[in-house]
Amino acid sequence: SAVISQKPSRDICQRGTSLTIQCQVDSQVTMMFWYRQQPGQSLTLIATANQGSEATYESGFVIDKFPISRPNLTFSTLTVSNMSPEDSSIYLCSVAAQSRSYGYTFGSGTRLTVV
Amino acid sequence: QQQVKQSPQSLIVQKGGIPIINCAYENTAFDYFPWYQQFPGKGPALLIAIRPDVSEKKEGRFTISFNKSAKQFSLHIMDSQPGDSATYFCAASMRGANNLFFGTGTRLTVIP
Repeated sequence: SAVISQKPSRDICQRGTSLTIQCQVDSQVTMMFWYRQQPGQSLTLIATANQGSEATYESGFVIDKFPISRPNLTFSTLTVSNMSPEDSSIYLCSVAAQSRSYGYTFGSGTRLTVV
Repeated sequence: QQQVKQSPQSLIVQKGGIPIINCAYENTAFDYFPWYQQFPGKGPALLIAIRPDVSEKKEGRFTISFNKSAKQFSLHIMDSQPGDSATYFCAASMRGANNLFFGTGTRLTVIP
């Protein structure tokens, strides 16, 4: 399965600032996914990022708040903009396996605290 | 609306016990049901998965039981060990969709 490196692993940010999270995969993948995991909660999909096209956002998430870049088949970034304490969460990137088995691999996540 | 419902929220068992985690779904379009294991500070890791055309799947000490008519599936961990202490998530996916729908998670503690 793919190996995902996600940076930073954690950060503490001031309210109103932005943070960009990077996700690097060791192989080329078509789709990359960004999830949010609020403290003690389950995972919620933010958006799907395909190379060469606009990201597709899930209900409740908008591009102005969570802009995503996907410059090539191994890399993506998620920016959390104009942060508030409610954005304090773990943000995870994920990729799908090559086969149709729907296996997904996750990065270790970025633990974000907004103060 | 939670697409996949998971219980219990937390579970404590003695070493060697068999914890059972249950999940239920409504959407009959789901055709893939994985379980993920997550340790603190780590991302979820795929543990085992099943498709609705089989009723049971075993991989090592982990077994998924699947009841298609009841739209329920469960994870059993045989001979549980302290190293199994983690949060377990069930999930579901459907053909043509990109994402996984996760359950709310079960925090398992195995006492030595």
